[in-house]
Amino acid sequence: AQSVTQLGSHVSVSEGALVLLRCNYSSSVPPYLFWYVQYPNQGLQLLLKYTSAATLVKGINGFEAEFKKSETSFHLTKPSAHMSDAAEYFCAVSDRNNDMRFGAGTRLTVKP
Amino acid sequence: NAGVTQTPKFQVLKTGQSMTLQCAQDMNHNSMYWYRQDPGMGLRLIYYSASEGTTDKGEVPNGYNVSRLNKREFSLRLESAAPSQTSVYFCAGQDGFNYGYTFGSGTRLTVV
Repeated sequence: AQSVTQLGSHVSVSEGALVLLRCNYSSSVPPYLFWYVQYPNQGLQLLLKYTSAATLVKGINGFEAEFKKSETSFHLTKPSAHMSDAAEYFCAVSDRNNDMRFGAGTRLTVKP
Repeated sequence: NAGVTQTPKFQVLKTGQSMTLQCAQDMNHNSMYWYRQDPGMGLRLIYYSASEGTTDKGEVPNGYNVSRLNKREFSLRLESAAPSQTSVYFCAGQDGFNYGYTFGSGTRLTVV
């Protein structure tokens, strides 16, 4: 079965700094990859998804992620952090069998 | 507003009590899911329904049952609640394996 590993349960950056949240996946078939964001006391919202059309995927709120097959990675980046980006971020991998697996999550803190 | 609606938002149960968590969607999703979210563990799939009239076990089905009443509604039942079922429960809908999920806002359940 496929799986994802998010490196770092907590990441702290200064406002205006680069955001880099790491995700590595394991899948025996070409994966579908997703990033979700969860604000306090809310459900998860889809940030972006990779479905093999393009390796660099742009999402909402200025986030983007690059699929690197050779590194089995799908890291999430944003050039300049904003205070409103503070949240928990989840990477997920899916195959064609309605089986989406989520990482343990990375909590992003943005310092003023 | 269109989306996935969960009720109740909060619930406290005594050990051994039963209850049903309700989920309804108005986005015409074929597939629906129930997840639980626990600190440091991400989201774990309890049950899912690939289409109306079908249900399947996920990663952590023990102690739960589900009903896909119609295309809109997918309920989760705890027959005899245990403290280990204290968690936040999320319902989600999806149109296909290459689409992301639409999540409800969650039910925070405490079993004492």
